Amino acid sequence: DSGVTQTPKHLITATGQRVTLRCSPRSGDLSVYWYQQSLDQGLQFLIQYYNGEERAKGNILERFSAQQFPDLHSELNLSSLELGDSALYFCASSLPKGQGGGNEQFFGPGTRLTVL
Amino acid sequence: GENVEQHPSTLSVQEGDSAVIKCTYSDSASNYFPWYKQELGKRPQLIIDIRSNVGEKKDQRIAVTLNKTAKHFSLHITETQPEDSAVYFCAARIATGGFKTIFGAGTRLFVKA
Repeated sequence: DSGVTQTPKHLITATGQRVTLRCSPRSGDLSVYWYQQSLDQGLQFLIQYYNGEERAKGNILERFSAQQFPDLHSELNLSSLELGDSALYFCASSLPKGQGGGNEQFFGPGTRLTVL
Repeated sequence: GENVEQHPSTLSVQEGDSAVIKCTYSDSASNYFPWYKQELGKRPQLIIDIRSNVGEKKDQRIAVTLNKTAKHFSLHITETQPEDSAVYFCAARIATGGFKTIFGAGTRLFVKA
């Protein structure tokens, strides 16, 4: 158990719908990262937040958005869902650099999204 | 653009043999190179990492080498065991004000008993 939690574990929805995935980082971690892993593929970096602010952006679609709240949990919002959005969505967290972190990312168990 | 190529995509070895996975990155601003092991349906777990100012790092049966000039880095697993069977991902992190981690496509390692 990495200490990172994600809810829900599974999500089944229809095309055109909107869903929200939630992530709680490890205690003390200020950075949250979101990744998408499609079937039998690698992880695609979507976005990073640090202490509530967006810090780095990857190949995140305009239909997707994220935020990090004052209690440091993060949400990934996926809208106008398409069949191709079906994937495992992982979040990860890391310690601030000044506290010996900044390198290792600890992954949550993932949310499996199925779009029918 | 930012890209990490990983080879081979599948690797099958006999128990006790060594396994080598190679990666190449494109962005010279990459400064940190982690390797993750992912078992089916589970989260990626860090197995070893190396920073750009180090050429080699070893942890028991696992070692990683980095050639910054060639933008190559490799994972070496010695004395493989059946429990090493999994998908292995290399990654390169670019510090851009935040941290953007680009992953390779993965290598599925089979260790035959």
